Amino acid sequence: SQKIEQNSEALNIQEGKTATLTCNYTNYSPAYLQWYRQDPGRGPVFLLLIRENEKEKRKERLKVTFDTTLKQSLFHITASQPADSATYLCALALGGDMRFGAGTRLTVKP
Amino acid sequence: DTGVSQDPRHKITKRGQNVTFRCDPISEHNRLYWYRQTLGQGPEFLTYFQNEAQLEKSRLLSDRFSAERPKGSFSTLEIQRTEQGDSAMYLCASSLVASGEDEQFFGPGTRLTVL
Repeated sequence: SQKIEQNSEALNIQEGKTATLTCNYTNYSPAYLQWYRQDPGRGPVFLLLIRENEKEKRKERLKVTFDTTLKQSLFHITASQPADSATYLCALALGGDMRFGAGTRLTVKP
Repeated sequence: DTGVSQDPRHKITKRGQNVTFRCDPISEHNRLYWYRQTLGQGPEFLTYFQNEAQLEKSRLLSDRFSAERPKGSFSTLEIQRTEQGDSAMYLCASSLVASGEDEQFFGPGTRLTVL
């Protein structure tokens, strides 16, 4: 069966450290993968997209890697801040529809 | 505000009633998506439109759910004979598909509570 798994429900780190979130998938061959941020009571907000032929993409303090052999994407936030506390969702594009993982709730402590 | 809007933001209904939600996407976007999200889960794909054509519908979606996008602009999602298991946040998103990218812009959602 098809699955998208994000490494843990919750991740707690200290301010200034690098947060690393994992997204693993099985039985999918996505054309691209996206990462979204979701705050409580709000809709997700797009952060980054990485295509199957790209290994790494960066945007400010964010970095995403995509390994289609391992079927895994890593999402890094460097120099984390309390304002980065949120739930982060990975999403796989399958034709017209997007499949989301359950998300990882990140808490950055001052 | 030129983002995606949804109406109503909250809906409480009794089991067995019909409900209808509206989504107004970003005006130049040609794709519109509906998702359902329950606590602790990611958004679950329901259906999507490209312009006015409904191109895909989740196999998980029962016949009680129907969506329309009559003029390729706003969309409605109707749930007939609501059940308690329908209680969730219903999210709408829109995107402009170009070069295979599909960055989705989400609305604030409609929270449905079925008593």
